Order: sequence, then C-alpha cells, then structure tokens
Amino acid sequence: EDQVTQSPEALRLQEGESSSLNCSYTVSGLRGLFWYRQDPGKGPEFLFTLYSAGEEKEKERLKATLTKKESFLHITAPKPEDSATYLCAVRVGSSNTGKLIFGQGTTLQVKP
Amino acid sequence: DGGITQSPKYLFRKEGQNVTLSCEQNLNHDAMYWYRQDPGQGLRLIYYSQIVNDFQKGDIAEGYSVSREKKESFPLTVTSAQKNPTAFYLCASTSERLIAKNIQYFGAGTRLSVL
Repeated sequence: EDQVTQSPEALRLQEGESSSLNCSYTVSGLRGLFWYRQDPGKGPEFLFTLYSAGEEKEKERLKATLTKKESFLHITAPKPEDSATYLCAVRVGSSNTGKLIFGQGTTLQVKP
Repeated sequence: DGGITQSPKYLFRKEGQNVTLSCEQNLNHDAMYWYRQDPGQGLRLIYYSQIVNDFQKGDIAEGYSVSREKKESFPLTVTSAQKNPTAFYLCASTSERLIAKNIQYFGAGTRLSVL
C-alpha cells in the first residue's frame, strides 16, 4: 500500500536554530513529491515539487531535497513567521488524474 | 484577483441533515478536488473532477456527493449517510498543464461541525 509518513509530528525551534523535517514514502511508482505550507485555519500553499532523486529546490530559508526513499525540508535560521504545518504529498502510478497522497504533516513552531 | 473561493467558512449540521459546501474558482482550471482533513491526519481525497459533467470517487467518497455542471463550480454535499462529518474540508484545482507538474491550488477551507 502506498504510504507517506512525516516526522516529527511537531517541532519547536528557537529563532535562528536550523533543522530539518522528514518525509519518507513507500510507493509503487513515484511521479513527484510535493511540499506545502499550511497556516492554521487556511488552505495549503504550494512550496516545491521534486521529481527525481538528487533534485533540490530552494526558496528563501527553505530547501527541499529528494532521495529514493525520502525527502527533507531544511529550514535555515528560521523566523517566527515560518511557524506553520508543513505537508508532504506524493503522486504515484500511471494515473493522469493528478491524485496526491498526503502525509499527516509536521507542525513547526519558531519562538523569538 | 484569481483564486479559489470556499463558502461558508464555518458550517453546522444537524442530525439527518444534508449540507452543501461551495467551491468556486476563476482560474480557468479544468480539474477540481475535494479533500477532508482531520486533526493529526493528512488530507484524504473525497471526489475529483477533470472535466465538466464528469467526476470520480476518491478514497473516502461514502456519504458524500458532488456535481460539476460548470467549469468554475464543484459543490460538495455532505449527506446524512456520513456519520462522522466533523472535519476541515478543502477544495483544490489545477489546470491540465499543471496536472503534469501536480501543482494543486487550495481554497481557504470550510470547517464543518455537528450540532
């Protein structure tokens, strides 16, 4: 069964304390891995798409990397405004429907 | 100002009642999706539609129904058959071009509670 697992469930950092969020997946045929940011009570906001092992994407203090089994979202020198839930999702198989399988998310809190 | 609009923001359902959640987009996107989000769980797909007048069941379609009469609109009805409807409901859309990249854009969500 296709599965996406994110860890840790929750992460508390001090402002400026760098860390990484993990997304591990067991899928039958990866056709893309996606990171979203979700603020409380709002819809997810697209951050990155990664398609092949070794690929990296960066945006401000965030960098996403991909291996054959997992993806990491590295947060460098985070600020309080980076506090949010970060969701990972994968597209699998041969379907052209755009269906995604989501992990349960990591809730990040950055304290000043 | 293009985007996806979900309404209402909060909705309360009584026992045995059907309720309808609205999702409208002005992005000219072809595909639309409905997800359910429960605390501590990832988003789960309820229904999706790739074209007007056509839609498919997702992973948890039981107790829900949809229609796609217009490209811009994809309403979700939570029926009385859905015994545990309390959740945060998210609508998303994407264009045919974006499907290849799997970039889905989301609305702000509707929080449904049972009275």
